[in-house]
Amino acid sequence: NAGVTQTPKFQVLKTGQSMTLQCAQDMNHEYMSWYRQDPGMGLRLIHYSVGAGITDQGEVPNGYNVSRSTTEDFPLRLLSAAPSQTSVYFCASSNRGDYGYTFGSGTRLTVV
Amino acid sequence: KQEVTQIPAALSVPEGENLVLNCSFTDSAIYNLQWFRQDPGKGLTSLLLIQSSQREQTSGRLNASLDKSSGRSTLYIAASQPGDSATYLCAVEGRHNFNKFYFGSGTKLNVKP
Repeated sequence: NAGVTQTPKFQVLKTGQSMTLQCAQDMNHEYMSWYRQDPGMGLRLIHYSVGAGITDQGEVPNGYNVSRSTTEDFPLRLLSAAPSQTSVYFCASSNRGDYGYTFGSGTRLTVV
Repeated sequence: KQEVTQIPAALSVPEGENLVLNCSFTDSAIYNLQWFRQDPGKGLTSLLLIQSSQREQTSGRLNASLDKSSGRSTLYIAASQPGDSATYLCAVEGRHNFNKFYFGSGTKLNVKP
């Protein structure tokens, strides 16, 4: 099994550009989440989903959109990139937490 | 809001030493606590998961304990090796906030040969 796959691994955007970070899992997990990791601040929850068609905001949702049309995919959209969105983004999935969360390898995003 | 704190922020030990990493949280109504390892530039690898009904979990040289009443968890690493060098993260999932993990800032461990 591939687990949680994130693409791209690296991305440089100009301020104001939009893009979509992809996340796919092949474990049939119900729950999926997006986190951002910044130096000295740990990981913070952006958006999460408890199943196809259901999404909700986390701790730092502003500037990001998500959708969950299938169980497998949970893309994160940056609407108009800002330098403050320079970060490492992680996608995670779980089958209701009994076995914990599985994380992808991350997308390192730089906004210039 | 759940606050998770990890102490120390960094730790350097000689190879072979036993060590303890600490994690504290402010809201004891938790569902799960999970310890992760993160190597530089890499993703998070799950080490141990402790459910709220459990007191400890063990995997190889790792042992994690949970004391909900005091809001604390410890990760014990026995006979440390240079390959254990990484950042260790503690994450808490609240009983009333499913699917929301609150992370500590991590402990950066360096095990010297």
